[in-house]
This record gives sequence, C-alpha cells and structure tokens, in this order.
Amino acid sequence: EVQLVESGGGLVKPGGSLRLSCAASGFTFSSYTMNWVRQAPGKGLEWVSSIDSSSGYIYYADSLKGRFTISRDNAKNSLFLQMYSLRVEDTAVYYCARDMSPPLHFDPWGQGTLVTVSS
Amino acid sequence: SSELTQDPAVSVALGQTVRITCQGDNLRTYYASWYQQKPGQAPVLVIYGNNNRPSGIPDRFSGSSSGNTGSLTITGAQAEDEGDYYCNSRDSDGNKVVFGGGTKLTVL
Repeated sequence: EVQLVESGGGLVKPGGSLRLSCAASGFTFSSYTMNWVRQAPGKGLEWVSSIDSSSGYIYYADSLKGRFTISRDNAKNSLFLQMYSLRVEDTAVYYCARDMSPPLHFDPWGQGTLVTVSS
Repeated sequence: SSELTQDPAVSVALGQTVRITCQGDNLRTYYASWYQQKPGQAPVLVIYGNNNRPSGIPDRFSGSSSGNTGSLTITGAQAEDEGDYYCNSRDSDGNKVVFGGGTKLTVL
C-alpha cells in the first residue's frame, strides 16, 4: 500500500524553528517529485514547496520569502521541511503529497501534521 | 504568479448533476486536477488530466476543460459527495503549483 506519514508538528513560539518529516512506503520513493502543501485552520490548500527525485530542482511558494527549506533522503524514503523564523500565519496542517506528473496531480496525500505558532 | 478562481459554495439536489469550475489563464496551457476533502481528512484526488479518474473514484465524477476554465462534474450527486473541492495546476512558469480557493459542495 502506498503511504505517506508526516510527523514533527507541534507548538512553537514565533521566531522559532521546526523540522517536519514525511515517511514514504509502498512505492519507489526515489523516482518521484514530492511536495509540501499546507492548510491554515478553516482555510484552503496552499502549495508550499516541491523537490524533484534527485533534489536537483527545488521550488518554493513566493509567500515563504526564503524561510523554509525542503530536502529529501532517498536512502531513507523520507521528505523533510525545515521551517525557520516561524510566524503566527504559518499555523496550519502540513501535508506531504506525491507528484504523479505528467500531467500535474498529487496522489496520495499524507494525513498531515499540525504546526501551531503561538506565544 | 497565476491564480485559480473557484466559486466558494455550490449546492445540488440529491441525484442531480452539478458542475464545479476553476478559472485561470494558466489553464489555457495546463490541465487542472481536482481533489475532494472531507472535514478532518486529507485531500483525495478525484480527477486529473483530460478526464482521468484514479482507481476507486466513482464514474459519476468527470472532468473537462475549455479555454481558461476547468470543470469537475458530478452526475447524480450522492450525499457522500459533500465536501470541499479544490483544483490545482502548474503556475504560469510551469515550475510552481497553484491551488484554487476551494468550493464547498452541499448535497440537499
């Protein structure tokens, strides 16, 4: 069974850092581009970042202003999101999702991990 | 960057047909894909590309595209189809990704 499991969320103070992980299983992780998508409470989905299979192409949403870093470890079937200088508005459920392009489509998604930024 | 515009809310009578749309200039170049999200759950892919359904998605879900608009059609809506529906696509530069704001579907 193809599965993605996020971890690492929690409560952090404004200005703090947090590292999210996504463990993949049931497929050849090293062959796929992976993405992070977030959803603030009661709001819509927002794409955060993508990384291709060999970490050669990495993209971020303009709104992040360089505060997040995506990475992966293909040997460990894992995807990461390092978040710095966290703001209250970064509070959201963070999902990892496999990119099945072409054409673009995300399947499956993990269950998400909640990041709360609050003093 | 590009934007994808969706109606915030749509309703449909049980058993009737409903179309949910997604508009954006980048859809003239790239297909939209569609996701269903129920409360407290992760999104689930329902349609991608030129009307492709993943395995396990009922055939009452279909997709189409015309000009700058992508559409998701549910033919014979069921109570379990209630939820939020999101479209996404490539950004105009072809590298980044953009999501629509989502449409809340109510089945009456």
